[in-house]
Amino acid sequence: EVQLLESGGGLIQPGGSLRLSCTVSGFTFSDSGMTWVRQAPGKGLEWVSVISKKGDVTNYAKSVKGRFTISRDNSKNTVFLQMNSLRDEDTAKYYCAKLGVVDPHDYWGQGTLVTVS
Amino acid sequence: QSVLTQPPSASGTPGQTVTISCSGGRSNIGSNSVNWYQHLPGTAPKLLIYSDNQRPSGVPDRFSGSTSGNSAALAISGLQSEDEADYYCTTWDGSLSGRVFGGGTKLTVL
Repeated sequence: EVQLLESGGGLIQPGGSLRLSCTVSGFTFSDSGMTWVRQAPGKGLEWVSVISKKGDVTNYAKSVKGRFTISRDNSKNTVFLQMNSLRDEDTAKYYCAKLGVVDPHDYWGQGTLVTVS
Repeated sequence: QSVLTQPPSASGTPGQTVTISCSGGRSNIGSNSVNWYQHLPGTAPKLLIYSDNQRPSGVPDRFSGSTSGNSAALAISGLQSEDEADYYCTTWDGSLSGRVFGGGTKLTVL
């Protein structure tokens, strides 16, 4: 059974930092690019960041570039999102996902809530 | 403002066919494959369509995807009450070097 378990969310003041983690099981993590997607209250889905399977290529949404850093530890089947200089508009549920782009192997966690206030 | 444009809402009665559009540009839909997701409140998004028009196993054939030029569409035939949800298109944007989502379409089954 595929499982993605996010953790690390919580209430943080503006300007603060949080580190989200997502530990996966049930598929070959080291063969998979991993993505973070967020949904602010009452808003749609917003892509945040992606990391390649080896961790050597990363991309970020313009809204978080320079403040967020994605990384991974393939030995622990875990992907991270380090979030610095948090703003009110970063308040959202953050989902970790392995997106099925050219195949149907698409997996999402249940999300972790980040509140910046 | 989303790079991909979807109508904010759509509706239909049970049994009808509803089509949700997703308009983009050459750097996104025009050159990369499109996925469609169904999202219910409090749950993880569910993949409905990948690679423009492919259905994962378990997704009813009532759901179909298509693309034409810089636009994509999701058609839902034989509408059912359980189809009431938010629907999102998404693809890679080469100019932004990032994935983009449409703003989402809230489907109401009347």
